[in-house]
Amino acid sequence: EPEVTQTPSHQVTQMGQEVILRCVPISNHLYFYWYRQILGQKVEFLVSFYNNEISEKSEIFDDQFSVERPDGSNFTLKIRSTKLEDSAMYFCASSGSWDSRGNQPQHFGDGTRLSIL
Amino acid sequence: AQKVTQAQTEISVVEKEDVTLDCVYETRDTTYYLFWYKQPPSGELVFLIRRNSFDEQNEISGRYSWNFQKSTSSFNFTITASQVVDSAVYFCALREPNNAGNMLTFGGGTRLMVKP
Repeated sequence: EPEVTQTPSHQVTQMGQEVILRCVPISNHLYFYWYRQILGQKVEFLVSFYNNEISEKSEIFDDQFSVERPDGSNFTLKIRSTKLEDSAMYFCASSGSWDSRGNQPQHFGDGTRLSIL
Repeated sequence: AQKVTQAQTEISVVEKEDVTLDCVYETRDTTYYLFWYKQPPSGELVFLIRRNSFDEQNEISGRYSWNFQKSTSSFNFTITASQVVDSAVYFCALREPNNAGNMLTFGGGTRLMVKP
């Protein structure tokens, strides 16, 4: 079964450094997402991406965050100047087009654990 | 106000017991979508089920069943004859079509511990 893949599985970065988290969504999916989960807390939406542009973003997704689909397969999340509070698990997800029952479910990658020192 | 509430933060059962995880949601939309995801100790999020608001038929999949009650805005999840491998955090999530980005709003999760 096709799956969303994320690399790296664990990223350790010094505070203030830039970090890029990479994702390869399921190949025929059209909608892409980033979520984050601070340790022990709930999963929070960051941003959604469709047709090569951001379709929605949350309050968390401020100017230090950006997303990009640089080619036909990758979907990246960049954090420009990391802070301690950016430490979390970051999940990429993708979903296909709508079917007869409505919205397709989002399939998640295994996550990248980001640790800011 | 919380859009998705999972009041049970942690549940502990003994193997073979049945267990129900509660989910209550809040939305003004007449059409919406509800989901359950499982997060095992390894950390990934595994899709379990999608339910559309206009489809009120309850669903069973093996030992898993879901009870959607529109009148009480609840979408509860029952595991029958629980097993140790069911130990995980379970998240209920809501998608409202009036948001442009298909975002999911997650509940706080319920940690289920199944003891042998």
